[in-house]
Amino acid sequence: DQQVKQNSPSLSVQEGRISILNCDYTNSMFDYFLWYKKYPAEGPTFLISISSIKDKNEDGRFTVFLNKSAKHLSLHIVPSQPGDSAVYFCAARGIRLTFGEGTQLTVNP
Amino acid sequence: DTAVSQTPKYLVTQMGNDKSIKCEQNLGHDTMYWYKQDSKKFLKIMFSYNNKELIINETVPNRFSPKSPDKAHLNLHINSLELGDSAVYFCASSQDVRGNPEQFFGPGTRLTVL
Repeated sequence: DQQVKQNSPSLSVQEGRISILNCDYTNSMFDYFLWYKKYPAEGPTFLISISSIKDKNEDGRFTVFLNKSAKHLSLHIVPSQPGDSAVYFCAARGIRLTFGEGTQLTVNP
Repeated sequence: DTAVSQTPKYLVTQMGNDKSIKCEQNLGHDTMYWYKQDSKKFLKIMFSYNNKELIINETVPNRFSPKSPDKAHLNLHINSLELGDSAVYFCASSQDVRGNPEQFFGPGTRLTVL
C-alpha cells in the first residue's frame, strides 16, 4: 500500500515562473514531511521539511505547504531556474521515511 | 569532506556471486540506513541501524545482510546475487531516530547482475 503518492511523473515550467509540485499521503500519524531533490547519478539531497503541526515553511525560493485535512502537501519554487531541473521526492516520517515515486521537474530557459 | 560515502559506485557481477557495498558517514550521526531504488524509481528502505543496533528490517531476503562495525559504518553484503537485485542502493544517515528527520544520502551504488 502506497502511503505517499506523487501523481505527476513530470512537470515542465518556464524559467522565472512558479513550479508547484504536489504530494498526497494517507497516514495521519506522519509527524514530518520532507522534500528531496535528486540529480542523475547522485544521491537525493534534502531541500526543506515541515512539521505536521505547521502549515507552511519557507526557505529562500522554496516554500512547502501542508494541508492536513486534505492530507496534501506541495512544494512551491519561485522563481524557477534551469538548475532546479531534477527529480523531486516527497517523503513522510512515521516509523520510517516513506518516499513518493518522484516528479521530474524541467525548467526551460 | 564527503558527508556520506559509498564504495563502489558501480558494481557489475554475475548471478550467484557474493558482493559487498561499503558505507561511511563522517557526520557523527547515530543512525544509518540502506535504501533500494528499483527500476520504477521507488526509494524503499531496507535496513536501519541506530548505534550499531538493527532497528528496522523490512521484508528483505535474508541473502542481504547488513553489518555495522561502528556508528560511522554500515556495510551491505549480498549473497547469491539474482537478476532482480539489480538496482541502485543508497546509504543514508541521520542524527538519530526521532529527532531532526533530515537524512543525508550517499551517491548510490548501481548494481547490475548479469
